[in-house]
Amino acid sequence: QQPVQSPQAVILREGEDAVINCSSSKALYSVHWYRQKHGEAPVFLMILLKGGEQKGHEKISASFNEKKQQSSLYLTASQLSYSGTYFCGTPINAGNNRKLIWGLGTSLAVNP
Amino acid sequence: DTGVSQDPRHKITKRGQNVTFRCDPISEHNRLYWYRQTLGQGPEFLTYFQNEAQLEKSRLLSDRFSAERPKGSFSTLEIQRTEQGDSAMYLCASSFPGANVLTFGAGSRLTVL
Repeated sequence: QQPVQSPQAVILREGEDAVINCSSSKALYSVHWYRQKHGEAPVFLMILLKGGEQKGHEKISASFNEKKQQSSLYLTASQLSYSGTYFCGTPINAGNNRKLIWGLGTSLAVNP
Repeated sequence: DTGVSQDPRHKITKRGQNVTFRCDPISEHNRLYWYRQTLGQGPEFLTYFQNEAQLEKSRLLSDRFSAERPKGSFSTLEIQRTEQGDSAMYLCASSFPGANVLTFGAGSRLTVL
């Protein structure tokens, strides 16, 4: 079951904050976050392996709530370089992080 | 080593023709993955190699698709008798054994006319 991401698109001014959500109707074993800029490869941001875990990467952090079967990505004081499409991915099977099923992505545009 | 390389970056072909894509992973990575991505979608898993062994294949991979990794280094993905529905970006990724992080290549974009 494909995870559902919201919102589909966000437009920010530089310095503003944003939250991107990823939820699933099935149990989430882990959540992987990637960012893809237009015409480029997806780039790994972070992975959350335990419920309630929070991790950070520069001014981007994420939380993972196993009980609610959802993860949120927090972008603080956004920079122009944050523009791109953000994907969350979850393992198709428990214990198999090799095979991920991805959400449709959230397009983020940061304007000056 | 500059990351995962894919070739060609763009391929335009006529329906019914065969195409082959090549992926050169990061040399220390023994795991190699192929994904397909269409416009507005996330990547879809196609297949996975550990060294030269193809360990998993998605049901998306019809009989017209074949992937190889003959010496456990580079991999090829061949599509026979291409159809317009095959038009997509084909992404290759690699990882260390036991690692969760995928390093993706820039992709090979296929357009079938």
